[in-house]
Amino acid sequence: KNEVEQSPQNLTAQEGEFITINCSYSVGISALHWLQQHPGGGIVSLFMLSSGKKKHGRLIATINIQEKHSSLHITASHPRDSAVYICAVGGVMDAGGTSYGKLTFGQGTILTVHP
Amino acid sequence: KAGVTQTPRYLIKTRGQQVTLSCSPISGHRSVSWYQQTPGQGLQFLFEYFSETQRNKGNFPGRFSGRQFSNSRSEMNVSTLELGDSALYLCASSFFPGGPANTGELFFGEGSRLTVL
Repeated sequence: KNEVEQSPQNLTAQEGEFITINCSYSVGISALHWLQQHPGGGIVSLFMLSSGKKKHGRLIATINIQEKHSSLHITASHPRDSAVYICAVGGVMDAGGTSYGKLTFGQGTILTVHP
Repeated sequence: KAGVTQTPRYLIKTRGQQVTLSCSPISGHRSVSWYQQTPGQGLQFLFEYFSETQRNKGNFPGRFSGRQFSNSRSEMNVSTLELGDSALYLCASSFFPGGPANTGELFFGEGSRLTVL
């Protein structure tokens, strides 16, 4: 069983629909990232969460630390939202503080939004 | 503000050769992390550097190595290339760990796509 599981793996929606992507993890973490990857490879960080909820435009991310679960919501989806969405967990604390680079990734959710 | 710059963007090598990839972080960022992305394994963590020191290492063979320079630029090297090393290699930078400016956000480069023939 993977340490980070995303669902669904593929998601097709019509423009304007409300979209939810889920992420469950089995490891202890101090940070969870939601990433977006467009064709061609470039990755953009959407959110970094350690608790609660964050909102940026039409995107909302929530995390439940006790249940080890996070969700990414897209309201009023648009074809330009079509991309791969990746959940990643990590956050390593040592004497130097918390480093966020050591991540374990989910397998990604391929989102296609049709006009 | 310039983003994270990775060079080269594309390269083709043959088995047994070695390759060096470069990553220039955003100005002011002192942490650099490297990742490998393949269709079969997805994204996997390779290394994390801060202040020229490797802080964390992923589960990769010793053929994979890296370093960070005093200006925070980082390089990774893969020796004795194998077909399975064909991948997109991504780096990401962030503020120094532990400081108040460390929001935990990572900034990714466009990646270096390596093909091993």
